[in-house]
Amino acid sequence: DAGVTQSPTHLIKTRGQHVTLRCSPISGHKSVSWYQQVLGQGPQFIFQYYEKEERGRGNFPDRFSARQFPNYSSELNVNALLLGDSALYLCASSFRGGDGNQPQHFGDGTRLSIL
Amino acid sequence: LAKTTQPISMDSYEGQEVNITCSHNNIATNDYITWYQQFPSQGPRFIIQGYKTKVTNEVASLFIPADRKSSTLSLPRVSLSDTAVYYCLVASSGNTPLVFGKGTRLSVIA
Repeated sequence: DAGVTQSPTHLIKTRGQHVTLRCSPISGHKSVSWYQQVLGQGPQFIFQYYEKEERGRGNFPDRFSARQFPNYSSELNVNALLLGDSALYLCASSFRGGDGNQPQHFGDGTRLSIL
Repeated sequence: LAKTTQPISMDSYEGQEVNITCSHNNIATNDYITWYQQFPSQGPRFIIQGYKTKVTNEVASLFIPADRKSSTLSLPRVSLSDTAVYYCLVASSGNTPLVFGKGTRLSVIA
């Protein structure tokens, strides 16, 4: 079975632009979460979606938004990009949201570089 | 803030057993302890999860004392390919996201 897939794998943008990152969860998984990982740090939680509804939001500005589609895939949008948005953006899926004892399965991320 | 504390780095020779201890003094009744492994330029990969006592799978063992305020990930006979960052997390049921710390950078030396 395919794991969590993310696209694109790498992306270069300039300050002020916007970006859309995409994630396809493991088949049968209904929960998708997004994380930002800056070099040398652990992943930081951005959003969680379950059954197309936002279930959690981390401490990120309103420039960050996301949505989940009927097929459970998800998009993360970031507007007005800043240099500090350069990071690895990770998507994780699990069978159902809101349970800490449900292991999350991560994709290999999108490496976003802001020039 | 991460709910856990673990060593920043560890070194080991190939073939040795590696034990990484994690402190989680404020663990809640509903919290599970979960460990992830991350290689460079890859997403974290689930290794093992437990609630109390001992859990073992084909990759590792997880030891949790009765007070659950700490846990130890044990990797038997490590190889060079086990060089990675290991994250210890506690997560409860309910709508709580995973909170990662900086993890433990394990370097396996030939």
